[in-house]
Amino acid sequence: DTTVKQNPRYKLARVGKPVNLICSQTMNHDTMYWYQKKPNQAPKLLLFYYDKILNREADTFEKFQSSRPNNSFCSLYIGSAGLEYSAMYLCASSSRRGGNTLYFGEGSRLIVV
Amino acid sequence: AQRVTQVQPTGSSQWGEEVTLDCSYETSEYFYRIFWYRQLFSGEMVFLIYQPSFDTQNQRSGRYSVVFQKSFKSISLVISASQPEDSGTYFCALSELNTGYQNFYFGKGTSLTVIP
Repeated sequence: DTTVKQNPRYKLARVGKPVNLICSQTMNHDTMYWYQKKPNQAPKLLLFYYDKILNREADTFEKFQSSRPNNSFCSLYIGSAGLEYSAMYLCASSSRRGGNTLYFGEGSRLIVV
Repeated sequence: AQRVTQVQPTGSSQWGEEVTLDCSYETSEYFYRIFWYRQLFSGEMVFLIYQPSFDTQNQRSGRYSVVFQKSFKSISLVISASQPEDSGTYFCALSELNTGYQNFYFGKGTSLTVIP
């Protein structure tokens, strides 16, 4: 069963307020990812954890934080939301043993006002 | 720079027709993979099929197949007997061995509508 769960599915946030998005997977995958998806744009990789090692993209390094307290769980944290953060946030997981196919959750739609 | 290009922002077909969606990519690596995903209206991205670069045989999975033209760095997704449920946005993605196949570069997608 390929199951990646995200919470919340929808989030309305005020400018300047923090946002915390949560992802869990039950497949014992070694890698978990966060992508940002805006309309008519390609999904953009924000960061990923390989086991406990965090890899962040250079252009989003200071905007997003993440934690992975255990293999199944990964969060995405925005300290101070801006209007430009409005997007769909997609969590995915993969396993090197499984060929690294990405399995996505249903996404968390964030609207910042 | 965009590593993966999907030149068709939209497409349509009639129920039962075969649909072809195109993708081109840039890589200097020998070992890479091209994936196809479909984004449902709910937002979830669903894995469809992937083609490894070293395999000259076009991959097939159910009604999905690919036409892999390695020398042209292009790959097409073919959906046979399209159905209204196939409507959605299709994304092509490149993954390379030099990043442990962990960096995925996505195209902007092709929005497909299958008309009943």
